[in-house]
Amino acid sequence: EIVLTQSPATLSLSPGERATLSCRASQSVSNYVVWYQQKPGQAPRLLIYDTSKRATGIPARFSGSGSGTDFTLTISRLEPEDFAVYYCQQRTSWPVFGQGTKLEI
Amino acid sequence: QAQLQQSGPGLVKPSQTLSLTCTVSGASITSGDHQWTWLRQPPGKGLEWIGHITNSGSTFYKPSPNSRPRISIDTSENQFSLTLTYVTAADTALYYCARGRWSGELSFDSWGQGTLVTVSS
Repeated sequence: EIVLTQSPATLSLSPGERATLSCRASQSVSNYVVWYQQKPGQAPRLLIYDTSKRATGIPARFSGSGSGTDFTLTISRLEPEDFAVYYCQQRTSWPVFGQGTKLEI
Repeated sequence: QAQLQQSGPGLVKPSQTLSLTCTVSGASITSGDHQWTWLRQPPGKGLEWIGHITNSGSTFYKPSPNSRPRISIDTSENQFSLTLTYVTAADTALYYCARGRWSGELSFDSWGQGTLVTVSS
């Protein structure tokens, strides 16, 4: 089973700053990764699919990149509503999620 | 985009059966090549995929030593369900239904609101 390691576990930034979240896979099984945002008391929300494609309604400040085993989610200028937990996901035989990065003010 | 509404009890006794239903609106459960999926999130932890069912009724579950989940589909009601037998405290979690779709990678683009299920006597 693939293991996805997200770093940092917690990222403390301020509105207007740039956020860079990392997701590293234990093995290279796909050139694609998916990113979700989850706010307290809410279901996860699809942000990025196929590594770099924004889901419907996702602002352009969210971008994804990477390949092989290293993937990155970048938020160019943080808005107050961006502070949440972010999960990456890939699939080998079944979908697997990283443990999450908490983006806090 | 599909809307998913979950229903089912929030408290289940140990060794009994957990049953949750996800009703889909805004989309037909029989259209498209989607994976109607159940996931869960134990308190304070990350997301775990449980399994999915397709509109043709094919199912796939995460391998488990004590494989207990069963996912079924009711196309007449546009809903799908999760049954988990012989639950223990380890099954206490926030359960989500979601719609999976394929592109380069499988992603979940619509989610239910979540149901907190506590296993306790």
